[in-house]
Amino acid sequence: AQSVTQLDSHVSVSEGTPVLLRCNYSSSYSPSLFWYVQHPNKGLQLLLKYTSAATLVKGINGFEAEFKKSETSFHLTKPSAHMSDAAEYFCVVKDKNDYKLSFGAGTTVTVRA
Amino acid sequence: GAVVSQHPSWVICKSGTSVKIECRSLDFQATTMFWYRQFPKQSLMLMATSNEGSKATYEQGVEKDKFLINHASLTLSTLTVTSAHPEDSSFYICSAQFWDSEAFFGQGTRLTVV
Repeated sequence: AQSVTQLDSHVSVSEGTPVLLRCNYSSSYSPSLFWYVQHPNKGLQLLLKYTSAATLVKGINGFEAEFKKSETSFHLTKPSAHMSDAAEYFCVVKDKNDYKLSFGAGTTVTVRA
Repeated sequence: GAVVSQHPSWVICKSGTSVKIECRSLDFQATTMFWYRQFPKQSLMLMATSNEGSKATYEQGVEKDKFLINHASLTLSTLTVTSAHPEDSSFYICSAQFWDSEAFFGQGTRLTVV
C-alpha cells in the first residue's frame, strides 16, 4: 500500500524568498513520485516527477525536488518565490505495480508582496 | 505534455436533474481514465476507474447508480450525475493515461446543484 503525508497544510513566504514544501511517502514497491500544482477552480498541472532516474529532479517554473529513499521524502523547493506561485500543491505517489495515484492532503502556498 | 479536455468547466443544474461531464484525451489514447471529486480545501478523492470498453470500477462508498461512468472509446469518458441534489455540488476532475504512463488531468468541472 502507498500513502503520502504533506507535512505543512499552509506555507506563507515573501516574494523572492525560498519555498520549501515537505512530503513524506510510504510505498511497498519502487515508487514514482509527482508534484502537482492547482490554481483555484483549475485542474492539476504537473510540476515534476521522479521515476527512478536521477534523484534530483528539475521541473517547470524553477521548481525542483530531491528523492531521498533513506528518509522516504520528496520535498519540493524553489529558490525564489513569485506571486504566481500562490496555489495549492499536491505530492502524489504511485507504486510500480499499481495504476492508482495516492494524493497528499495538499499544501496551500501564499506569497506576500 | 498530453492534453485532457474536460467539459463543461462549470454547470448549474436544478435538483433532480441529471448532468453529464465529458473528459477527452485530445492527443493520445487513454486506456484508463479516472474520476475524482474534490471538496473545498481538500485533496482529490478517487471515485472510480474506467477502462475503455469495460465497466467502471467504483471506490468504496461511491454510488454507482448515482455516478454513471461510460468509457466508450479510447478518447472519451463521461460521468453522469443522476438525479442531482445539492450535496452533489462539488469540483469533479478527470485524469487519463495510456496504460502505466503518466496521468494527465482535465481542468475540472464545478457542479452546483440548486
